Amino acid sequence: QKEVEQDPGPLSVPEGAIVSLNCTYSNSAFQYFMWYRQYSRKGPELLMYTYSSGNKEDGRFTAQVDKSSKYISLFIRDSQPSDSATYLCAMSYSSASKIIFGSGTRLSIRP
Amino acid sequence: DAGVTQSPTHLIKTRGQHVTLRCSPISGHKSVSWYQQVLGQGPQFIFQYYEKEERGRGNFPDRFSARQFPNYSSELNVNALLLGDSALYLCASSPAGDSEAFFGQGTRLTVV
Repeated sequence: QKEVEQDPGPLSVPEGAIVSLNCTYSNSAFQYFMWYRQYSRKGPELLMYTYSSGNKEDGRFTAQVDKSSKYISLFIRDSQPSDSATYLCAMSYSSASKIIFGSGTRLSIRP
Repeated sequence: DAGVTQSPTHLIKTRGQHVTLRCSPISGHKSVSWYQQVLGQGPQFIFQYYEKEERGRGNFPDRFSARQFPNYSSELNVNALLLGDSALYLCASSPAGDSEAFFGQGTRLTVV
């Protein structure tokens, strides 16, 4: 079993829709949770960075962490074609440890 | 401010050869990490360096090595290249080795 599980998609939604991306994990020791966006042939871009459980909002993006269920989510409101990319969830045990990534979900926003 | 810069952007090598990849972190960042990303998968941790000391090593063979220089730039070296080493190699920097890591564009290595 992988430490971090993420549905690879692809996920296709119409422009303006709310997108929900999710990951589950197996190790309750994870404390830091991240979401990265990766365009084709580019490096990952940090979108959201949260510590422990709770919600964090940044513009059209909201990250949720439920440690009791070992489940994290990223919501994108008013989705735009420019949001089409691969979204990687990631997590780490401490602020100084390696980052463990999910396999990524390919998202396509249809105009 | 410049982000994380990696060189070269693309590279083609033959099996058995050696390769050196380079990374310059964001100004003021003292920690550099290296990741390997195979097509269709998430990045896999290879090394982390902080203040020129190795802080962590992933599950990669001894053919992989790295170092960090006094100016905090870093090199990743891979010896005796295999076809399976073909991947996007990513460098990430952070201020003090914490998890808020920022990635470069990567070096796409193709081994033929």
